[in-house]
Amino acid sequence: GDSVTQMEGPVTLSEEAFLTINCTYTATGYPSLFWYVQYPGEGLQLLLKATKADDKGSNKGFEATYRKETTSFHLEKGSVQVSDSAVYFCALSGQGAQKLVFGQGTRLTINP
Amino acid sequence: DAGVIQSPRHEVTEMGQEVTLRCKPISGHNSLFWYRQTMMRGLELLIYFNNNVPIDDSGMPEDRFSAKMPNASFSTLKIQPSEPRDSAVYFCASSSRTGVQPQHFGDGTRLSIL
Repeated sequence: GDSVTQMEGPVTLSEEAFLTINCTYTATGYPSLFWYVQYPGEGLQLLLKATKADDKGSNKGFEATYRKETTSFHLEKGSVQVSDSAVYFCALSGQGAQKLVFGQGTRLTINP
Repeated sequence: DAGVIQSPRHEVTEMGQEVTLRCKPISGHNSLFWYRQTMMRGLELLIYFNNNVPIDDSGMPEDRFSAKMPNASFSTLKIQPSEPRDSAVYFCASSSRTGVQPQHFGDGTRLSIL
């Protein structure tokens, strides 16, 4: 079945550092790919998405590119802020499917 | 616009009691999802509905769990009888079925079974 594997956390960085959180997936056909973010005490919020190969999703300085050849959707940000501290989830929905399959989440802490 | 609304935000009850969690999806959304989040198992899909009809309940852990969606603006997740291992954060999410639409999550219900 479909699955998502994320870089294990926790990840701790200093403010203004470069961020990469790795995400790879297994799926048949052409899934849609998502990054969600969860701040403490809140539900998940969509951060960005990409629906076809080579698409780049971007939002709030975060980017991720849908790479079908490497089945990856790595999350990047050039300069992180303390306010980016949260748990980040990579997810996919199979072609024509509504269910989301989530990775295990990566906890990110940014120190001032 | 109002997001997905869940109630209660916190619930503490004793083992064996019935627990009912409630969810109001975003108006106009016709898909609704119930998730459970724990440290050990991460985020698990329990059940989802399209147009108020349950489509996939394969994630419901056992017969003690049941979910209903009597109309487009309300859903419940019930646990009876509750057990300590049911302690978790339960999320409701909704989405539109048109195209590839993201799911919008509520803030969750933190459930503690003593």
